[in-house]
Amino acid sequence: DIQLTQSPSFLSASVGDRVTITCRASPGIGSYLAWYQQKPGKAPRLLIYAASTLQSGVPSRFSGSGSGTEFTLTISSLQPEDFATYYCQQLNSYPRTFGQGTKLEIK
Amino acid sequence: EVQLLESGGGLVQPGGSLRLSCAASGFTFTTYAMSWVRQAPRKGLEWVSAIRASGGSTYYADSVKGRFTISRDNSNNTLYLQMNSLRAEDTAVYYCVKASVYSTFDYWGQGTLVTVSS
Repeated sequence: DIQLTQSPSFLSASVGDRVTITCRASPGIGSYLAWYQQKPGKAPRLLIYAASTLQSGVPSRFSGSGSGTEFTLTISSLQPEDFATYYCQQLNSYPRTFGQGTKLEIK
Repeated sequence: EVQLLESGGGLVQPGGSLRLSCAASGFTFTTYAMSWVRQAPRKGLEWVSAIRASGGSTYYADSVKGRFTISRDNSNNTLYLQMNSLRAEDTAVYYCVKASVYSTFDYWGQGTLVTVSS
């Protein structure tokens, strides 16, 4: 099975900050990676697929990059509604594993 | 508008069974693979099972293999998850999820809570 490791697990930041979350895959998965955002009590929301393609309707302050074994999700300027938990997921093979999540909190 | 409406969750004793349903609308159900994803209380997301558009291929997480069965009724746009031999660790919110052409999970239901407890 493919293992995904996200870092950090917790991140404290302020409105307007630029933040980056990393997801490492073992073994490599090409560009078969997606990022999701989840707010408390809500279903996850797809943000990015194919490592760097922004899902329709997602603000352009979100961006993704990487391939193979290392991927990043960047939020260029944090907005109040961005404080949530973020998950990466690999779509290269079954089982479709998720990272353990990164909780982004307000500093 | 894509809608995924889960039902069938509830309280069940260890060793018991439950069948979840997901009524899909707003898209051509027969074209897309579907999955179930669960989330235990205060925990992360765990992919559970997937089924291809035709229903011809199914996939399972090791944690549920042999106990859960995914199926779909393409004539009624409904996805199912039959859960047998339930354990306390199966307690979670179960989400019905539509896969996009890129295999990513582009639409999620609101979730249904399954609680396994005596």
